[in-house]
Amino acid sequence: GQSLEQPSEVTAVEGAIVQINCTYQTSGFYGLSWYQQHDGGAPTFLSYNALDGLEETGRFSSFLSRSDSYGYLLLQELQMKDSASYFCAVSSGYALNFGKGTSLLVTP
Amino acid sequence: ETGVTQTPRHLVMGMTNKKSLKCEQHLGHNAMYWYKQSAKKPLELMFVYSLEERVENNSVPSRFSPECPNSSHLFLHLHTLQPEDSALYLCASSQDTAGETQYFGPGTRLLVL
Repeated sequence: GQSLEQPSEVTAVEGAIVQINCTYQTSGFYGLSWYQQHDGGAPTFLSYNALDGLEETGRFSSFLSRSDSYGYLLLQELQMKDSASYFCAVSSGYALNFGKGTSLLVTP
Repeated sequence: ETGVTQTPRHLVMGMTNKKSLKCEQHLGHNAMYWYKQSAKKPLELMFVYSLEERVENNSVPSRFSPECPNSSHLFLHLHTLQPEDSALYLCASSQDTAGETQYFGPGTRLLVL
C-alpha cells in the first residue's frame, strides 16, 4: 500500500521561510510532486522531484531524498497569497496518490 | 479555451436523480482522472483512463460510472447517490499515466440531498 504523512497545519509570518515536510511509504516510486490549492479552487502543480536533491522555482523549492523516503517544500519570502493547502503526492506509475494536505496560514 | 474545463460547476441532486459530470481537456493529453475531495480529507483517486481505456478503478461504488468516449472528454455518470457522496469532484489530465504533472479542472461541487 501507500501512505504519505505531512503536517496538517502550519502558520508563518509574512516574509518568513516555511518548510513543509512529507514522508512516504510506497511500493512503487517514480517521483514526488507538490500541489497548491486555495480555498474553493483546484489544485495547481508546483514542483516535481524524481531524483535526489533540491529543485528551485522562484520562491518555491522542493527537495527529495529517495533513501529516506522524504521530501519537503520550502517557501521563501512568504506572501499573504501563499495561504493555501499544500499537498505532496507520490507518482507510482498509474496515478498520483496524495497526502492529506498541509494548511498554511500566512499572517501579517 | 485552454486547460481543463468541467461542467456543471455546482450541482444539487436528490438521491433518486441521475446526472452526469463532464470534463474536457484541451491539452492533448492521453490520461484523464476523476478525484473526489471531501471536506478535511485528501484527494481520493476514483478512476484513471489512458488512451480512452480505464486502467484503474479505485474500489468506487457502482453508483459512479465513468465514460471516456475520446481522449479529450471524460464523464462521470451519477445515479442513486447518497448524502455522503456530497463533495468536490475534480477532473485532471496528464500527458501519460506516469503523470507527475497533472492539470486539474475547477471541479464540480456536488450536494446530494
